[in-house]
Amino acid sequence: IQMTQSPSSLSASVGDRITITCQASHDIKDYLNWYQQKPGKAPKLLIYDASNLETGVPSRFSGSRSGTHFTFTISKLQPEDFATYYCQSYNHLSSFTFGPGTKVDIK
Amino acid sequence: EVKMVQSGTEVKKSGESLRISCSGSGYTFDYYWIGWVRQRPGKGLEAMGIIYPDDSDTKYNPSFEGQVTISVDKSRRTSFLQWKSLTAADTAIYFCARTQASSWSATFDFWGQGTLVSVSS
Repeated sequence: IQMTQSPSSLSASVGDRITITCQASHDIKDYLNWYQQKPGKAPKLLIYDASNLETGVPSRFSGSRSGTHFTFTISKLQPEDFATYYCQSYNHLSSFTFGPGTKVDIK
Repeated sequence: EVKMVQSGTEVKKSGESLRISCSGSGYTFDYYWIGWVRQRPGKGLEAMGIIYPDDSDTKYNPSFEGQVTISVDKSRRTSFLQWKSLTAADTAIYFCARTQASSWSATFDFWGQGTLVSVSS
């Protein structure tokens, strides 16, 4: 699987709505996850199976799917949301794929 | 509370062998996969493979097959990532994560704190 994630970086302000996309090279159904990583920390699962919010994750985070096109949205950016975000999928040939990441920083 | 705890920083020389560890607690260890993920300095995440503690079934990402060995000791609730001969290219932070996996999906839901491996030539 190839995952095309965009943009590679974006600058935004607190309160902004931001969107990150991942395009899969072929049909992966809903099997796409989104993670947040802050500098010096382990990644954290935010969204699993395209649109399911992990327990304890704020509702301003959301995910959706249209065919092989996946969207991750933060509705109102908070100061603690400045981080790098990765999409991730897997296929039955043991191919685990992370997208290249999107760095979200302060405008 | 699910916790994944990894072994500490390693500083090695090229050609040396190494084994790092990851211990899971707060859940039924035998019945969740454990995954390993590499992050080179300033770079993104690369999934290396996963192992199922109950029967040691292991799936490697093709680019890591033959380069590392993933193993598990379920009596110690611990998974291991091992190299026979390190190179400078192995310098990275290595994360383990509890993994929910099926034939078609793999989700890394609880992560360890990471182990820094530094290899000098």
